[in-house]
Amino acid sequence: AQKITQTQPGMFVQEKEAVTLDCTYDTSDPSYGLFWYKQPSSGEMIFLIYQGSYDQQNATEGRYSLNFQKARKSANLVISASQLGDSAMYFCAMNRPGDYKLSFGAGTTVTVRA
Amino acid sequence: DAMVIQNPRYQVTQFGKPVTLSCSQTLNHNVMYWYQQKSSQAPKLLFHYYDKDFNNEADTPDNFQSRRPNTSFCFLDIRSPGLGDAAMYLCATSRLGSGALGAQYFGPGTRLTVL
Repeated sequence: AQKITQTQPGMFVQEKEAVTLDCTYDTSDPSYGLFWYKQPSSGEMIFLIYQGSYDQQNATEGRYSLNFQKARKSANLVISASQLGDSAMYFCAMNRPGDYKLSFGAGTTVTVRA
Repeated sequence: DAMVIQNPRYQVTQFGKPVTLSCSQTLNHNVMYWYQQKSSQAPKLLFHYYDKDFNNEADTPDNFQSRRPNTSFCFLDIRSPGLGDAAMYLCATSRLGSGALGAQYFGPGTRLTVL
């Protein structure tokens, strides 16, 4: 069974600063995928970034980067230069190859202060 | 723009009165999902379709049913809504692919209120 743990229920960050959202996972599968989603108060879940378990480099997408430490089973999301529009709930999720269902963490709420 | 559309965005129903939520997609994805999400919680998968193959989660109540008449559309039927069914219902789609190709894309959700 796969399990995702997000230990930070809520975080505050100053505009233009970077913030790191923690995600640890537990799986016995050698191959898996890790995803981060953003959910603003409007409700839509927005796919941000993906990291494969065999990827050698950390994934980056614009201001989002993933700090992937496979031995520690962690996949932390880093948001650089925070903007007010980054205020949202962020979910870490994972799946296994061939199993397209996602296991989600509990989420972290980020509030960006001006 | 290719997208996932959900209607209505807000739905109010009475206790026990059947309700249908709809989802359509222009992404031409094989897989469609329905999630239930309660306040400040992670989404909970109710069921999914791979093409026309229906897959029910073991703990999804019988009160929830789904139909997928074609690739583009999927419906969630709640036969007798209870107060505990008040939630956000999210529809998502994905390709059947590995890696980032298998990412799920979500609609804006339907917020259901049960009076």
